[in-house]
Amino acid sequence: NAGVTQTPEFQVLKTGQSMTLQCAQDMNHEYMSWYRQDPGMGLRLIHYSVGAGITDQGEVPNGYNVSRSTTEDFPLRLLSAAPSQTSVYFCASSIQQGIYEQYFGPGTRLTVT
Amino acid sequence: AQKVTQAQTEISVVEKEDVTLDCVYETRDTTYYLFWYKQPPSGELVFLIRRNSFDEQNEISGRYSWNFQKSTSSFNFTITASQVVDSAVYFCALSEAWGSGANSKLTFGKGITLSVRP
Repeated sequence: NAGVTQTPEFQVLKTGQSMTLQCAQDMNHEYMSWYRQDPGMGLRLIHYSVGAGITDQGEVPNGYNVSRSTTEDFPLRLLSAAPSQTSVYFCASSIQQGIYEQYFGPGTRLTVT
Repeated sequence: AQKVTQAQTEISVVEKEDVTLDCVYETRDTTYYLFWYKQPPSGELVFLIRRNSFDEQNEISGRYSWNFQKSTSSFNFTITASQVVDSAVYFCALSEAWGSGANSKLTFGKGITLSVRP
């Protein structure tokens, strides 16, 4: 099993550009989520999904969109990048929301200039 | 609302010292889950332990041990005889098990940076 994979590993964007961060898991997990990690802030939930076709907002959803067309994939879209979105983004998956541990991808390091 | 407080931000110890990382949580739910994750300098997040609110038994895994006390809402993590490879950021996290909506999302503390010097 590859576990949770994320692409790209690094990305530099200019303000106003859009892009999609890719996330895939091969563990048949229903629950997937996106977090951002900023210095001194811990990890904050952006969006999550409890299954294909179902998504919901987390703590810091503004400026991001998600969709879940398959169990395996959960892409995160930045609509119009801003310097405040410079961060490390982690995708995670779990058997069941809240109860079981989450498995994290390696992260995407995004810089917006 | 659920909350996790890791009051220690940075800890530095010399190899072979014991070190305890504190975690205090707040929740109104009676059923909840607590977690510890490790983030080494390479950046990935590694799951260490999960504990549910009905199981107050302490757990030991090699040099790692966890002390869960509901009376003080704490879930502390102790590393015995620390090693340089233990240098990492450690996160405590909490989820409430009620329902399947946002109430059961995982809330992280801000993390404790542990440096173990040789």
